[in-house]
Amino acid sequence: DAKTTQPNSMESNEEEPVHLPCNHSTISGTDYIHWYRQLPSQGPEYVIHGLTSNVNNRMASLAIAEDRKSSTLILHRATLRDAAVYYCILRGRGSTLGRLYFGRGTQLTVWP
Amino acid sequence: DSGVTQTPKHLITATGQRVTLRCSPRSGDLSVYWYQQSLDQGLQFLIQYYNGEERAKGNILERFSAQQFPDLHSELNLSSLELGDSALYFCASSVGDDGGSYEQYFGPGTRLTVT
Repeated sequence: DAKTTQPNSMESNEEEPVHLPCNHSTISGTDYIHWYRQLPSQGPEYVIHGLTSNVNNRMASLAIAEDRKSSTLILHRATLRDAAVYYCILRGRGSTLGRLYFGRGTQLTVWP
Repeated sequence: DSGVTQTPKHLITATGQRVTLRCSPRSGDLSVYWYQQSLDQGLQFLIQYYNGEERAKGNILERFSAQQFPDLHSELNLSSLELGDSALYFCASSVGDDGGSYEQYFGPGTRLTVT
């Protein structure tokens, strides 16, 4: 799977929007962009994924650049519960290699 | 609650011993994945099963083995335990084995401490 690059850490204030960037310059045409997060002492949690178009769900929005070499996870109003490590992961469509490659991710700190 | 259950939550054992970790996937999910998370290695993929068959292997030691049973629950067996095997072990499940399309849902993990 192609690799991704994320900032080590980001900070936000509660109730403000958060934009978490991810660079994936070697992405292939069939790679999905997945985001997971891991809260302290918990298992990773699926957030969102997409292929080409922007995606929205109840947790977040995913904005994908037109050339697909980067994407941004958007938390519209950060809460204290959103403090976690966020992982951006590429997964090939049709890939039977089911593993998720977790890099270092971005540690998000949310201040009250 | 992801719908994935893991037992036990905590396990403390001595070096050289053998333990079994159990995972029940979400209802309807056919794929089960095992991951290990230690402080120095981060989250590492160990092995994947799909509908009872092994599909992919990651950094899984020969002392470790796994299987998926007809009812789709899975067990991870760790033997000849060493201090370095102390870690969090997560199980995840997904509907299919098409890597890109499907999201994975993770259980709460089993914390293994080897003394």
